[in-house]
Amino acid sequence: GAGVSQSPRYKVAKRGQDVALRCDPISGHVSLFWYQQALGQGPEFLTYFQNEAQLDKSGLPSDRFFAERPEGSVSTLKIQRTQQEDSAVYLCASSPAGPDADTQYFGPGTRLTVL
Amino acid sequence: LAKTTQPISMDSYEGQEVNITCSHNNIATNDYITWYQQFPSQGPRFIIQGYKTKVTNEVASLFIPADRKSSTLSLPRVSLSDTAVYYCLVARRTGTYKYIFGTGTRLKVLA
Repeated sequence: GAGVSQSPRYKVAKRGQDVALRCDPISGHVSLFWYQQALGQGPEFLTYFQNEAQLDKSGLPSDRFFAERPEGSVSTLKIQRTQQEDSAVYLCASSPAGPDADTQYFGPGTRLTVL
Repeated sequence: LAKTTQPISMDSYEGQEVNITCSHNNIATNDYITWYQQFPSQGPRFIIQGYKTKVTNEVASLFIPADRKSSTLSLPRVSLSDTAVYYCLVARRTGTYKYIFGTGTRLKVLA
């Protein structure tokens, strides 16, 4: 079946612009995660949703970062007033309920470049 | 949550067994360990997961000693297509949610 999809795959923004990154999880998956991956580094946790509830947002680096999942399916990560240090790949992952709840399935990521 | 460290890179030849170790000295009781493989311009792909002792699936084995302060991913008979970056993830899904990826090990398989 279809995996996790993310759009756009690539985004170039001028410093100070707002951006919105979309994640379509695997259908029926209850958990959704956002990670930030800088070049040559491992993914760093940003936030976690269970259905529509944002249970942990401790990894969001500043109040310019905002994530939502209003209907418990599609999620959007919004970055306001982008800065150069926001340049990274933003990964979305989802996981099902039940015995495989600890297995995260990742999308291809959105590469954000802030000029 | 545990800070995880891994060797930066490893080289191997086709057909050899490769063992990659992840150190997570501060792992907590409720934390579990997952290994992922990542190719360039792709998201991480699940390989194997465990909590303690040994787990084996069709592509890899995971060894976790009793103190759980490290874990070793074992890839039997690697091929050129196994060239990738491998990450361990120490995670907790109850109480305080945390998901900490390791530094990543770049494996290069040579012909």
